[in-house]
Amino acid sequence: DAGITQSPRYKITETGRQVTLMCHQTWSHSYMFWYRQDLGHGLRLIYYSAAADITDKGEVPDGYVVSRSKTENFPLTLESATRSQTSVYFCASSPVGTSRDTQYFGPGTRLTVL
Amino acid sequence: GQNIDQPTEMTATEGAIVQINCTYQTSGFNGLFWYQQHAGEAPTFLSYNVLDGLEEKGRFSSFLSRSKGYSYLLLKELQMKDSASYLCAVDNAGNNRKLIWGLGTSLGVNP
Repeated sequence: DAGITQSPRYKITETGRQVTLMCHQTWSHSYMFWYRQDLGHGLRLIYYSAAADITDKGEVPDGYVVSRSKTENFPLTLESATRSQTSVYFCASSPVGTSRDTQYFGPGTRLTVL
Repeated sequence: GQNIDQPTEMTATEGAIVQINCTYQTSGFNGLFWYQQHAGEAPTFLSYNVLDGLEEKGRFSSFLSRSKGYSYLLLKELQMKDSASYLCAVDNAGNNRKLIWGLGTSLGVNP
């Protein structure tokens, strides 16, 4: 039972390069989320998805692109990485059909943009 | 606007009791969550309150007062492993499963 996984766990890239962070969940949860976490800002929502082929912007979407062709996968792409995108990125998922919207987090990807 | 306030840092002694407060102002309310996050790790779910009152789960309890926009997390018999950040988050009933997150309270437990 893998739950929710992210890859890579660590990534170093250079300014201007395209980077894709992967998120995979085995629970068949409908909702998935991408957050970034930075000191002093807490968790900030980048994008979220209610189901396959349904995505929407969160609080800080600029510079990021998402897709969700399958329920279990929710990749996040930085089209042209900038130093300000150095951060820890968390993917999370949440089931429907329950009375509470508990989110379950992946282990995170630590991204450094040089 | 939507706002969640928590103290930035707290310290306590092993074996003691500590209370971490959270106040919120949101456009809607459908429950309040507490998550624990150890350094370098992902947040993990601790508790959920949607009705007023105290929910107890082992050494951890969480309280909610909806009329006051206030919650607290109570940690008893503190252990060194409780040193972590504690995040308060509110479901503002937007029907989109998004949560509004506080910045977290960093708790240090001293021997």
